[in-house]
Amino acid sequence: ETGVTQSPTHLIKTRGQQVTLRCSSQSGHNTVSWYQQALGQGPQFIFQYYREEENGRGNFPPRFSGLQFPNYSSELNVNALELDDSALYLCASSWGTSGTYNEQFFGPGTRLTVL
Amino acid sequence: QKEVEQDPGPLSVPEGAIVSLNCTYSNSAFQYFMWYRQYSRKGPELLMYTYSSGNKEDGRFTAQVDKSSKYISLFIRDSQPSDSATYLCAMSVRNTGFQKLVFGTGTRLLVSP
Repeated sequence: ETGVTQSPTHLIKTRGQQVTLRCSSQSGHNTVSWYQQALGQGPQFIFQYYREEENGRGNFPPRFSGLQFPNYSSELNVNALELDDSALYLCASSWGTSGTYNEQFFGPGTRLTVL
Repeated sequence: QKEVEQDPGPLSVPEGAIVSLNCTYSNSAFQYFMWYRQYSRKGPELLMYTYSSGNKEDGRFTAQVDKSSKYISLFIRDSQPSDSATYLCAMSVRNTGFQKLVFGTGTRLLVSP
């Protein structure tokens, strides 16, 4: 059983550019959540995807968007990058979405630096 | 006011010490309480999960939840240098749509040999 994987590991972009981050969920999981972790802070919830639909969103602007594919892998896209977007982006996969507690398994993250 | 407050530390202790990590929260709708450990340049790893008030023990770790005071704790007995990491508390609401985790800022723990 493979865990959650993310690519790339590191990324450097300039202000105004666009970026796509990728996540492969753990085998058997159908839900992917994305979090942003700024330096010295806890992760902040961006959004969650369940069966290819966004079913929950945190307090992030529309330039943060995502996709989930039929194999439950996911992408996070960020347009018009700003300096404050520099952070570790974490993907977490789980089975199911609501009603009961569903453990979220985190990947190692993608560290994005915006210059 | 943040929904979840956590002392960022760093907390430095000698090997073998008992460590107490704490979080307070303001949202009374939180029902699930978790502690994650995060090593440098790694993703968070779940240590403990609790649902109700009271204590839950797993090896050297004990998680404690006091819903009346909106306060959770993680105790680490016989701390080891390998316990040096950032410890994040996280909470979630049981709702019908989706489950999002709300994290504290994390407490950095340093255990010296």
